[in-house]
Amino acid sequence: QSVLTQTPSASGTPGQRVTISCSGSSSNIGSNSASWYQHLSGTAPNLLIYSDYQRPSGVPDRFSASKSGTSASLVISGLQSEDEADYYCAGWDDSVNAFVFGTGTKVTVL
Amino acid sequence: EVQLVESGGGLVKPGGSLRLSCVVSGFSLRPYRMNWVRQAPGKGLEWVSSINSGSSYIFYAGSVKGRFTISRDNGKSSLYLQMSGLRAEDTAVYYCVRDGSMSNYIRDSYLDLWGRGVLVTVSS
Repeated sequence: QSVLTQTPSASGTPGQRVTISCSGSSSNIGSNSASWYQHLSGTAPNLLIYSDYQRPSGVPDRFSASKSGTSASLVISGLQSEDEADYYCAGWDDSVNAFVFGTGTKVTVL
Repeated sequence: EVQLVESGGGLVKPGGSLRLSCVVSGFSLRPYRMNWVRQAPGKGLEWVSSINSGSSYIFYAGSVKGRFTISRDNGKSSLYLQMSGLRAEDTAVYYCVRDGSMSNYIRDSYLDLWGRGVLVTVSS
């Protein structure tokens, strides 16, 4: 059972803004860096965000993230059809000494 | 080209053993903390294990502790996962993953480079 909770699904039409939330605790998101991953079916996961809000080179700027307390959020601004995928938050958890992933959010482009 | 290539997957009976290997190219393995992450069919991503550059700090998920052993050979640009006492619930695609933080503090970890994965199926 994951210690990072995400809403199971989110959807929007092309061009819309979608927000994915990640709820954690003081032992993970609240004290350690959060990262976000996109996982398209049949491919390797892809790093979208690291160190809470930093975007690696090559990741479109329509992906942004923030963190407040024990929660983190990923925003997709200007949703595109190729954004249809599963999204996971993650970070180190001091209480279990493990890198933990969120439960995952499936984003559907209507 | 920077890449990680896993091998060693396959079908194994419950209670059996398997050794996964990951060879990296296009970058030096030495400075990086490395990980194994898995995804069971229809499930989300699950971190399995982490090993730092000098193999002095090793961590395991509770679900595999005592059964799996992570190791590395920097000279051979290789990461390994020795799996024993395999169970049906270990059936998954296993990914070799690089920690891009290059930080001494594991709390800064993030997974920036992923292999394509290798399938491990545990079934009688």
